[in-house]
Amino acid sequence: EPEVTQTPSHQVTQMGQEVILRCVPISNHLYFYWYRQILGQKVEFLVSFYNNEISEKSEIFDDQFSVERPDGSNFTLKIRSTKLEDSAMYFCASRDMGQGRTGELFFGEGSRLTVL
Amino acid sequence: KNQVEQSPQSLIILEGKNCTLQCNYTVSPFSNLRWYKQDTGRGPVSLTIMTFSENTKSNGRYTATLDADTKQSSLHITASQLSDSASYICVVSATDSWGKLQFGAGTQVVVTP
Repeated sequence: EPEVTQTPSHQVTQMGQEVILRCVPISNHLYFYWYRQILGQKVEFLVSFYNNEISEKSEIFDDQFSVERPDGSNFTLKIRSTKLEDSAMYFCASRDMGQGRTGELFFGEGSRLTVL
Repeated sequence: KNQVEQSPQSLIILEGKNCTLQCNYTVSPFSNLRWYKQDTGRGPVSLTIMTFSENTKSNGRYTATLDADTKQSSLHITASQLSDSASYICVVSATDSWGKLQFGAGTQVVVTP
């Protein structure tokens, strides 16, 4: 069964360092997302991406965050200068456009980011 | 403010028993409601998706209901199994968004032998 894959599974970084989280969405999907979940809290939307541009973003997704689809398979989330409060599990998701707004989002297993 | 509230926060049930989880939402304009299962440290996995015109949907031993008038949903788990131990999350989407899902805090279900 096709799946969304994310790397790394866990990254530890020092405050102020740049981090890139990588995702390989399901191959025929056209909509891509990043969500995050701080330990013990709700999953929160960060950004959606379609047709090589951001289609929607949350207040969390400030200038320190960026997304990119550098090639036909990868989708990345970059945090330029990490803060302690960026420590969270980051989930990538993708969706096929075929079912419109009710289309299922497939989530990856997440990348746990720990900022020290 | 668009919100999704779930109850109970947690529950413990005996293997083989049934349980029902509740979800109330204020997300508007409403597009669809989803129930996800999330194992500890894993990504959410979709169980059901319902639009405003659907009032019940089943996926194996999971049955979700939706009352779009009262903005309430429930997830019923029948004949629980140990593998059902997980967080069950109610997630709502607005019509003006193509993927900005509003997640509830989840109900942590523990199934004991």
